[in-house]
Amino acid sequence: SAVISQKPSRDICQRGTSLTIQCQVDSQVTMMFWYRQQPGQSLTLIATANQGSEATYESGFVIDKFPISRPNLTFSTLTVSNMSPEDSSIYLCSINRDREWNEQFFGPGTRLTVL
Amino acid sequence: GQSLEQPSEVTAVEGAIVQINCTYQTSGFYGLSWYQQHDGGAPTFLSYNGLDGLEETGRFSSFLSRSDSYGYLLLQELQMKDSASYFCAVREGSYKLIFGSGTRLLVRP
Repeated sequence: SAVISQKPSRDICQRGTSLTIQCQVDSQVTMMFWYRQQPGQSLTLIATANQGSEATYESGFVIDKFPISRPNLTFSTLTVSNMSPEDSSIYLCSINRDREWNEQFFGPGTRLTVL
Repeated sequence: GQSLEQPSEVTAVEGAIVQINCTYQTSGFYGLSWYQQHDGGAPTFLSYNGLDGLEETGRFSSFLSRSDSYGYLLLQELQMKDSASYFCAVREGSYKLIFGSGTRLLVRP
């Protein structure tokens, strides 16, 4: 298993502002992932973050809107920039244990509401 | 394009058996996973099928037929705590997961 923590657990933000979400893992991992999940919906991969390189973004997501940092092997941040109500969602970070690609572990999520 | 289809909702009685189907169409395929998510919780891994056939883990089993692009999750001896959403997910690359829309399972007494 893996222990993954996220901060904040929830936030209510004003339109046009930015929020940075932190993800901390209890051990070193090569790959970290950021997902978005709207209430009652599926999980959509935003980007993959490897330490020491630029994040790889999925179709429909861009770095200017969702900048990601990965300063070391246990930590990553996702920023939701210039927020609009459409960004209201749950944001989850996730990891694979190195060489154990079949199972992903998810953090508890950050519930974001944009007014 | 990429698509994973699963029923939106299933209702079953405590102690019964329920099967949740998943059909997929993706550009790459390494295997099919299943995740459980309780309301307000994080998704948790249940099973993975990389090859055709049945994988059994306690009360849960998962099946894959790559030729049919089809899999299912079988839950036996249903318990109230099994009420949750269940997602199939295709492992498309060495690490990338594409999730289905999810099936909400309601277990009734």
